[in-house]
Amino acid sequence: AQRVTQPEKLLSVFKGAPVELKCNYSYSGSPELFWYVQYSRQRLQLLLRHISRESIKGFTADLNKGETSFHLKKPFAQEEDSAMYYCALRGTQGGSEKLVFGKGTKLTVNP
Amino acid sequence: DAGVIQSPRHEVTEMGQEVTLRCKPISGHDYLFWYRQTMMRGLELLIYFNNNVPIDDSGMPEDRFSAKMPNASFSTLKIQPSEPRDSAVYFCASSYEGNEQFFGPGTRLTVL
Repeated sequence: AQRVTQPEKLLSVFKGAPVELKCNYSYSGSPELFWYVQYSRQRLQLLLRHISRESIKGFTADLNKGETSFHLKKPFAQEEDSAMYYCALRGTQGGSEKLVFGKGTKLTVNP
Repeated sequence: DAGVIQSPRHEVTEMGQEVTLRCKPISGHDYLFWYRQTMMRGLELLIYFNNNVPIDDSGMPEDRFSAKMPNASFSTLKIQPSEPRDSAVYFCASSYEGNEQFFGPGTRLTVL
C-alpha cells in the first residue's frame, strides 16, 4: 500500500531560522516523491520533485530510500514561506498516475 | 491560459440535495483528477481520467458520488443525495502525460 506520513500538522519557526518539514513514505517499489505548496488564497502548486534534484525558493529535499523519507529543508526561513506544504508520492509500477498525498504541514514563519 | 477552472467556487446546499461540481482542465492536458480536502483526512484522490476515460475510481467514497468526463474540456463531479459529511473543498487538477499536476482553485462545499 502507498502511504505518506507528515508527522507535524503545525510547524512554527522564526524568520532566518532553519526549517525542516518531515515526510515519510511507504511503498514497495521505487516511488517518485513531490512537495506541493499552497500559499494563502492561492492554488496548490508543485514546489519540487525528487527526480529533478533542484532547489526551488531555497528549498531542497533529498530522497532517502533507507529511511523512506523525503524531508523538505531550507536553511533560512522567510515570512513568505508561510504556507501549507504537502508531500506526495507517485508509484512507478503499473503505469498509475495517481498521487497519494500526506495530510499536510502548516508552516508559519514568524517575524 | 487561465489554468484549471472550477465552478462554482462556493456551494451551500441542504442535506439531500443534488450537487454538481464542474471542472475545465487546461487545454491539451490528457489527465484529469478530482480530489477532496478535509481537515481530518487531508487531500484524497477521488477519481482520475485519462483521455476522458475513468482509470481509477477507488477513492470515490460511495455510490452517492459519480464523475463524468464527456469531452476533453469538461468534467463533472456529482453528489446525490448530499450529506453534511460531504462538506469539504473539492479540487480538480489536470496534467499532460502524467507530468506536473496543475490544480484549480477548488470548490468549497457546505452541506447543511
